[in-house]
Amino acid sequence: NAGVTQTPKFQVLKTGQSMTLQCAQDMNHNSMYWYRQDPGMGLRLIYYSASEGTTDKGEVPNGYNVSRLNKREFSLRLESAAPSQTSVYFCASSDGGGRGVFGPGTRLTVL
Amino acid sequence: EDQVTQSPEALRLQEGESSSLNCSYTVSGLRGLFWYRQDPGKGPEFLFTLYSAGEEKEKERLKATLTKKESFLHITAPKPEDSATYLCAVQADSNYQLIWGAGTKLIIKP
Repeated sequence: NAGVTQTPKFQVLKTGQSMTLQCAQDMNHNSMYWYRQDPGMGLRLIYYSASEGTTDKGEVPNGYNVSRLNKREFSLRLESAAPSQTSVYFCASSDGGGRGVFGPGTRLTVL
Repeated sequence: EDQVTQSPEALRLQEGESSSLNCSYTVSGLRGLFWYRQDPGKGPEFLFTLYSAGEEKEKERLKATLTKKESFLHITAPKPEDSATYLCAVQADSNYQLIWGAGTKLIIKP
């Protein structure tokens, strides 16, 4: 039982490059989330998926896209990375309430 | 506007010195308030859910309490392994999303 896994753990991009962050959960949760965490700020929701086949924007969706590939997997794509997207990205899953299980995070630096 | 404020930003204690962390919130109808622990370089880990004023939850040296305006995380006789950042989040009746505080970094010195 791995919980929530994320790949990669670290990534350095140049401005304008694209990349996809992968997330998978093995707890049969319906809901999945992508957050970013910046120093001195709370976790901010980028996108979430309440169930397979649905996605919705969170607080800070600009510059990102998501895909809920199946019940287990939820990916986050940066089409044209910007320095403002330097952050730590967390994927989480839940049964729909606030009790979430988080992945270990992806530390992204955009130069 | 729904909002969560945590204080203090950082707290340094000696081992065994009890204290409390504060989470103040404004929300239009509280569905739930959540406490998480985050260790350096890791994702947040769930601790407690509180649903209504007067409710209390305990786990080892931690006890969370809730009023209509704030929640406290009481730490009794802490140990160095309790050092972490503690995060608070609320979920409103009207909104699926969690609103997070910036966290309190707790350091327990041996």
